[in-house]
Amino acid sequence: KAGVTQTPRYLIKTRGQQVTLSCSPISGHRSVSWYQQTPGQGLQFLFEYFSETQRNKGNFPGRFSGRQFSNSRSEMNVSTLELGDSALYLCASSLDDGELFFGEGSRLTVL
Amino acid sequence: AQSVTQLDSQVPVFEEAPVELRCNYSSSVSVYLFWYVQYPNQGLQLLLKYLSGSTLVESINGFEAEFNKSQTSFHLRKPSVHISDTAEYFCAVSEIGSNYKLTFGKGTLLTVNP
Repeated sequence: KAGVTQTPRYLIKTRGQQVTLSCSPISGHRSVSWYQQTPGQGLQFLFEYFSETQRNKGNFPGRFSGRQFSNSRSEMNVSTLELGDSALYLCASSLDDGELFFGEGSRLTVL
Repeated sequence: AQSVTQLDSQVPVFEEAPVELRCNYSSSVSVYLFWYVQYPNQGLQLLLKYLSGSTLVESINGFEAEFNKSQTSFHLRKPSVHISDTAEYFCAVSEIGSNYKLTFGKGTLLTVNP
């Protein structure tokens, strides 16, 4: 059974640009959540989608957005990038039973 | 709201020694508890979880953790570590009913030396 797949694995952007990250969950998982990991703030919850609906959102500015498609794949978008957005972005999928399966992450560097 | 405190940011130990990674949490509601492990340049892997039932939970690779409600702790232990256990370990909680929203501790870097 394939795990959670995130693309791209690495990317470099400049300030002011926008970025879109993609996440393909484990087959059959309808819940997809996103986390940001930085050395200073650690792991922080961004948002979660279930059946194309955002169920909850963390404390991030509106520049961070996401969506989920009918096949449960999810994308997150960050607009007007800032240096502080440099981070590892982790996606996790779940059967909504309390166990999250994480992908390997997309490492974003903002210059 | 919940919070998680991992009391040690780094724990160096020698191979075959026992280890304990400490985790305390704070929450006004009932929670689920988790330990995740992260190897360099990889995502998080679930090590073990406490959802209900026995307060002692075990993983397949020799780790165990005990849920102590009165002390609001969920410490991770292993009686004999291997070099391959070198990684960063994260304790996390989720509010029952919000299974997907984890609150993580800052992590403990376990370094096993030969």
